[in-house]
This record gives sequence, structure tokens and C-alpha cells, in this order.
Amino acid sequence: ETGVTQSPTHLIKTRGQQVTLRCSSQSGHNTVSWYQQALGQGPQFIFQYYREEENGRGNFPPRFSGLQFPNYSSELNVNALELDDSALYLCASSRASGGEETQYFGPGTRLLVL
Amino acid sequence: AQSVTQPDIHITVSEGASLELRCNYSYGATPYLFWYVQSPGQGLQLLLKYFSGDTLVQGIKGFEAEFKRSQSSFNLRKPSVHWSDAAEYFCAVGDGYGGSQGNLIFGKGTKLSVKP
Repeated sequence: ETGVTQSPTHLIKTRGQQVTLRCSSQSGHNTVSWYQQALGQGPQFIFQYYREEENGRGNFPPRFSGLQFPNYSSELNVNALELDDSALYLCASSRASGGEETQYFGPGTRLLVL
Repeated sequence: AQSVTQPDIHITVSEGASLELRCNYSYGATPYLFWYVQSPGQGLQLLLKYFSGDTLVQGIKGFEAEFKRSQSSFNLRKPSVHWSDAAEYFCAVGDGYGGSQGNLIFGKGTKLSVKP
């Protein structure tokens, strides 16, 4: 158990809809990263939030957006869902420490877009 | 660009046999290196990490990994595999974006099957 929780565990949406995924960080962690893991692939970095500001972004379009709240929990929002957005979405929390931090992952939210 | 290669997509070993999973990385500076394990339908669990210092690092569940700068490798080993080790294993490098560890770049994973 990492102390990182995600909700919901599973979700089914249709193409064009919008979805919000939630992540609660491990206690004491101030950084949250989101990853997309397509079937049979390694996770791919979407973006990272540090102290409520976006602190880096991977190669994902603007319809992927996020928020981090004062309690360091986070949301991932995806607009205009496409079939290829079907994946396991993982959040990871860490405590920024000049580089030597470790990211601890939640169990993920499995999204299916029909 | 930074990258991680796990050359073996699927490995099958007998229970009790030794295991080595290969990982090669491409990174300009001293990397932060990680091995994670993922059971079916689950999130990622950290096995071990390398930041600096001793190039042989010990992890949980009896795993170890050795950082070899000359070979740009960070191979994962276990002397005796248990059936419960069957899972997918991911090697990752921290890209150091923004002055911190930044995001993790993952390999495509190696699926480990264990024969009784």
C-alpha cells in the first residue's frame, strides 16, 4: 500500500464525452504526476503538478488538463474523449527533494471509451 | 531524447531458477533509475531505485539491480524466483525536468511467467 488512492476504479464513457479522474496523494507529498498506460505498453507521462502549478507536460494535447488542490489531491480532466483514450490512468505522488524523490503510484483508473 | 529499452518482451523461468531482466537507457547525465512491478490490473509497485553511490542496489522481495554506466544498463536480478513473482516489470529513468526528478520515462515492460 502506497497511500495513494484513485477514483473511480473503472469508468466507461462514449466518444466525445468528458471525464474527471481523481487522485489523493500520500501524506506529506506535494507533487503529483499523471500517466497514461495503454494496453501492453509502459506508462507515458501526461503532466506533473507541484504546489498547484503545472510543472511539466508530456506529449498530450490540451484536452488533457489537470488541477492540484491545496491539500495536494489532484484531478485529471479529459475533454472530447477519443477511442484511443482508453487506458489505465495512473497517478503518482512524491515529495520534491532536489531530484532524489521517488514516485509512488496509485492503483489506477481504467477508462474505456466506446 | 531520453529513452529506456527493455529488450525482452516476455520471459519464462522455472520456479527456483535465477532471473535477470535487462534494461538499457539513453540519458545524457547521471540518471535516476527505477524498477517497478505491476501485477495484472494493478498499479505500479516500486522494487528498487538508484540515485547515486553504490552501483549495486537492493530492493524488496529479494530483488537487486546493478547500475553499469559503461553499458548504460540497469539490469534486475533475483537469485531464486517464486511463483508470486509472475508479473510485468518496468524499468524507468527520471528525466530531471524542472530541476527535480521530473517525469519518469518507462520501458515497454517485460512480462515474467514462472513455471512450476
